[in-house]
Amino acid sequence: KQEVTQIPAALSVPEGENLVLNCSFTDSAIYNLQWFRQDPGKGLTSLLLIQSSQREQTSGRLNASLDKSSGRSTLYIAASQPGDSATYLCAVRDGGSQGNLIFGKGTKLSVKP
Amino acid sequence: GAVVSQHPSRVICKSGTSVKIECRSLDFQATTMFWYRQFPKQSLMLMATSNEGSKATYEQGVEKDKFLINHASLTLSTLTVTSAHPEDSSFYICSVSRGEYEQYFGPGTRLTVT
Repeated sequence: KQEVTQIPAALSVPEGENLVLNCSFTDSAIYNLQWFRQDPGKGLTSLLLIQSSQREQTSGRLNASLDKSSGRSTLYIAASQPGDSATYLCAVRDGGSQGNLIFGKGTKLSVKP
Repeated sequence: GAVVSQHPSRVICKSGTSVKIECRSLDFQATTMFWYRQFPKQSLMLMATSNEGSKATYEQGVEKDKFLINHASLTLSTLTVTSAHPEDSSFYICSVSRGEYEQYFGPGTRLTVT
């Protein structure tokens, strides 16, 4: 059974710092991996999608990497800003393009001005 | 703009009543929609997969008679929580997927059962 773990559960950094969020999954047979952002009491916003054949994806100050064989992904946030404060969720898609998304519990990020 | 909408965003109901939550795909026709539930400080957990024109597929441990799903059109799925109880209080989120592309999520519905 696929399990997704995110470390740390919470992170507080001063504005301007670069930071890394970690995600690990137990079964490397994934179709893709997606990083989301969730603001308190809100739905999810997709940040980056990495297909299983890809190693990384970049969008602005965000860079996500994928090492499928070791079951790991990282989300790198450069020059963090208070507006980046949110919970970041990692999710893997199992079993083909219609497979379920399995979520981690998230990392709650707080960026202090 | 938003790809998925949900209504209502927040609902409070009394124990024993039923509540209907709507999910609309705004950007494309969705043959499949997903319903998730999120308890405080927990992961999103898939409850069921809603297929247009056929019965929904429920995950293990989710009661199909309690959580009624109707996917009557390619842009609308509804989740009805029947005879709601306080333990059903949660954040319900729907999602649509465009094949192997990204999965889009609605803004969620906060259900509180008193």
